[in-house]
Amino acid sequence: QKEVEQNSGPLSVPEGAIASLNCTYSDRGSQSFFWYRQYSGKSPELIMSIYSNGDKEDGRFTAQLNKASQYVSLLIRDSQPSDSATYLCAVGLGNQGGKLIFGQGTELSVKP
Amino acid sequence: GAVVSQHPSRVICKSGTSVKIECRSLDFQATTMFWYRQFPKQSLMLMATSNEGSKATYEQGVEKDKFLINHASLTLSTLTVTSAHPEDSSFYICSARDALGTGSYNEQFFGPGTRLTVL
Repeated sequence: QKEVEQNSGPLSVPEGAIASLNCTYSDRGSQSFFWYRQYSGKSPELIMSIYSNGDKEDGRFTAQLNKASQYVSLLIRDSQPSDSATYLCAVGLGNQGGKLIFGQGTELSVKP
Repeated sequence: GAVVSQHPSRVICKSGTSVKIECRSLDFQATTMFWYRQFPKQSLMLMATSNEGSKATYEQGVEKDKFLINHASLTLSTLTVTSAHPEDSSFYICSARDALGTGSYNEQFFGPGTRLTVL
């Protein structure tokens, strides 16, 4: 059973702080990793993808991947109340036609 | 780019009726589309993978005769919930993968979702 694990939260951070979201996965063959943001009642929105070990930065977001530890994280700098949402970690299954397995999501609350 | 639309956004129907949901990729071609279901406070559960011109592949436990999927073109997939019952009430979301592949071969772009309520 391929699994993706996230802390469900809620994770509460003050405005302007760094929010750190973590995810572990079980399939060592996975090569693609994604972070989606989902506001309540809405569908997921892709915010970051990462394929190689190390860091990938995009604006206030940094994704970190460590394949040896089967760990991927998302850092949100200068957190804003508008970042309050559920963040879903998704892992691509190798050789399965692009299927993604989603974690249960971490609820982030940014307090003004 | 990478816009996916879904219609209808919300539907309320009586038990026993069938409901069709359309998923369209608006600015790219999608050989593969995916259908998910999401219950409140839960993560996305993949129901099936829809491939253009071939039969859909259903996940374990998903009734293929109840959830009919058709992927007639590179930009359109439909999900029909047949003989819907209250337990089918959920948020149904489709996603599409860019057929051309930009190196980000697993990226999925989601439609806005369809909220189904069966009375």
